[in-house]
Amino acid sequence: QQQVKQSPQSLIVQKGGISIINCAYENTAFDYFPWYQQFPGKGPALLIAIRPDVSEKKEGRFTISFNKSAKQFSLHIMDSQPGDSATYFCAASIRGSARQLTFGSGTQLTVLP
Amino acid sequence: DAGVIQSPRHEVTEMGQEVTLRCKPISGHNSLFWYRQTMMRGLELLIYFNNNVPIDDSGMPEDRFSAKMPNASFSTLKIQPSEPRDSAVYFCASTHRNEKLFFGSGTQLSVL
Repeated sequence: QQQVKQSPQSLIVQKGGISIINCAYENTAFDYFPWYQQFPGKGPALLIAIRPDVSEKKEGRFTISFNKSAKQFSLHIMDSQPGDSATYFCAASIRGSARQLTFGSGTQLTVLP
Repeated sequence: DAGVIQSPRHEVTEMGQEVTLRCKPISGHNSLFWYRQTMMRGLELLIYFNNNVPIDDSGMPEDRFSAKMPNASFSTLKIQPSEPRDSAVYFCASTHRNEKLFFGSGTQLSVL
């Protein structure tokens, strides 16, 4: 019940296209849903996060869509750029606690020039 | 701020040897986490400390693994004896207010 399932495992998108990564969870106690971005040779870094009181959060080209009833959330990258090529991890936690973050398995995104 | 600092960046050792990974968290952060990343298992939380005290070590895979945090600015993760299946990237992360995690660049461990 603590799992967060992420798909796809890998994604190839043309420059300027939209990248979409999906995550699903089971534990209804989750109330904080961050996305982390990881470049090769680096640690993950917080990209954007959402709480279930809103259905969407946008920061620049990055948008999280959240569907509480379906227990799903997704990351949309608009106008994808080669510099966006990285591994993206969704995560979920209870009471916004970093101590209880459960990470998805990751999506390797490649944006072709 | 220099961020979370881990050393060494790369470690190659032989099976049976002791390995010590080091971490300096961001100044002022009161929680520190050790994660392991592998292709098969993704990001796994090994242990976390709050105010230098180990709170949850349920993710530590075996007694061969141990972690210490003698003060607010330093932590170690030790593997003794090391085994090839311990090969992974080990990340240290810290946080203040227990929300946003700041990760170090990791230690790539290879046990031959």
